[in-house]
Amino acid sequence: DAGITQSPRYKITETGRQVTLMCHQTWSHSYMFWYRQDLGHGLRLIYYSAAADITDKGEVPDGYVVSRSKTENFPLTLESATRSQTSVYFCASSEPFGTSGGHFSYEQYFGPGTRLTVT
Amino acid sequence: GQQLNQSPQSMFIQEGEDVSMNCTSSSIFNTWLWYKQDPGEGPVLLIALYKAGELTSNGRLTAQFGITRKDSFLNISASIPSDVGIYFCAGPPPWDMRFGAGTRLTVKP
Repeated sequence: DAGITQSPRYKITETGRQVTLMCHQTWSHSYMFWYRQDLGHGLRLIYYSAAADITDKGEVPDGYVVSRSKTENFPLTLESATRSQTSVYFCASSEPFGTSGGHFSYEQYFGPGTRLTVT
Repeated sequence: GQQLNQSPQSMFIQEGEDVSMNCTSSSIFNTWLWYKQDPGEGPVLLIALYKAGELTSNGRLTAQFGITRKDSFLNISASIPSDVGIYFCAGPPPWDMRFGAGTRLTVKP
């Protein structure tokens, strides 16, 4: 299917366990992103990637690891899950293009989300 | 980093009414994005704005890029039940993207 998909959609794990959330996009977009969404905080950027093998931290990167060996995949790993990482995680992708304002835009398109509960 | 203040937090309106919401940032943006999120779904891009003063429409939705470049507005005309959801402002993409806390819209038939 075309678009951006995430798996699993729901995950329950225990404190201290490692868990990996998967993200796959079929548009060949250069940029990919991971956000978490918590009540009262909106969406916050965890990590992003500008291309395969290029990743960088966002606003809230602590406790997370990412990799991007292929353009279409951008997995997010919680190395040792904590209860504070209970959240809904969204993956997004983007391809820059020139705008009427004379700069590049990076409209982001989101996946359906993964609801993670850490017990 | 930029802070986005979005208001109102929630709105309860009657079907057919118009809706207005706004977003302000602590710094200048060169792009404003407006998203809608339905329950259990990811945000969906509604409108993108690229120039100060720009007014852009998408059906019954109209958004404006404030001339100070620190604010943006979203209007929904003649609301219908399917407008229910959470509306987010966001910007500037990509790597310093911030989202407002959202405006939760309820439409009563």
